[in-house]
Amino acid sequence: GEDVEQSLFLSVREGDSSVINCTYTDSSSTYLYWYKQEPGAGLQLLTYIFSNMDMKQDQRLTVLLNKKDKHLSLRIADTQTGDSAIYFCAESNDNYGQNFVFGPGTRLSVLP
Amino acid sequence: DVKVTQSSRYLVKRTGEKVFLECVQDMDHENMFWYRQDPGLGLRLIYFSYDVKMKEKGDIPEGYSVSREKKERFSLILESASTNQTSMYLCASSLETGSTGNTIYFGEGSWLTVV
Repeated sequence: GEDVEQSLFLSVREGDSSVINCTYTDSSSTYLYWYKQEPGAGLQLLTYIFSNMDMKQDQRLTVLLNKKDKHLSLRIADTQTGDSAIYFCAESNDNYGQNFVFGPGTRLSVLP
Repeated sequence: DVKVTQSSRYLVKRTGEKVFLECVQDMDHENMFWYRQDPGLGLRLIYFSYDVKMKEKGDIPEGYSVSREKKERFSLILESASTNQTSMYLCASSLETGSTGNTIYFGEGSWLTVV
């Protein structure tokens, strides 16, 4: 079946760049997403990328997609303590909005 | 703005009680979902609904049921709560566009403790 994998933990120093990586198995994935979950809260959509793109930039966030290797990354520039959260990678391949596969989440800790 | 609202943020219930978790979305989405989130296990899909009165089992439906009587409302029911159902429950919704690019939106979560 479809699978999405992420490393579970990442620590960075405030002001550095963070890179969170994700790999997926479904070659028919058409949209890939990054969600952020702050402590005690739900998942907030950060950004998404269509599979025919290889990069998307939105302020401090850069998403890179290597479709050949099925590898997705999220780069956060100038990481702040407010970026400490769990980041989920997800993929979708259907036209009905019913099938989303989520990774286990990467817990980002930002050290002062 | 997209809004998925879970009516209870924190609940404490006794073993054997019947528990209702309510979720409302204001975006006219066809699809609604219930997930549970546990440390080390990520998000696990319990049930989803693609239309009023329609439902599909997810990965872990045992011990749960759902109800969707109106398009905007999706309820998760624990018929007889057990301690292993202590968890964070997340409701979500998505639009069926008939093409790719659908996005799923989440509520703030309901923390359920069964004692």
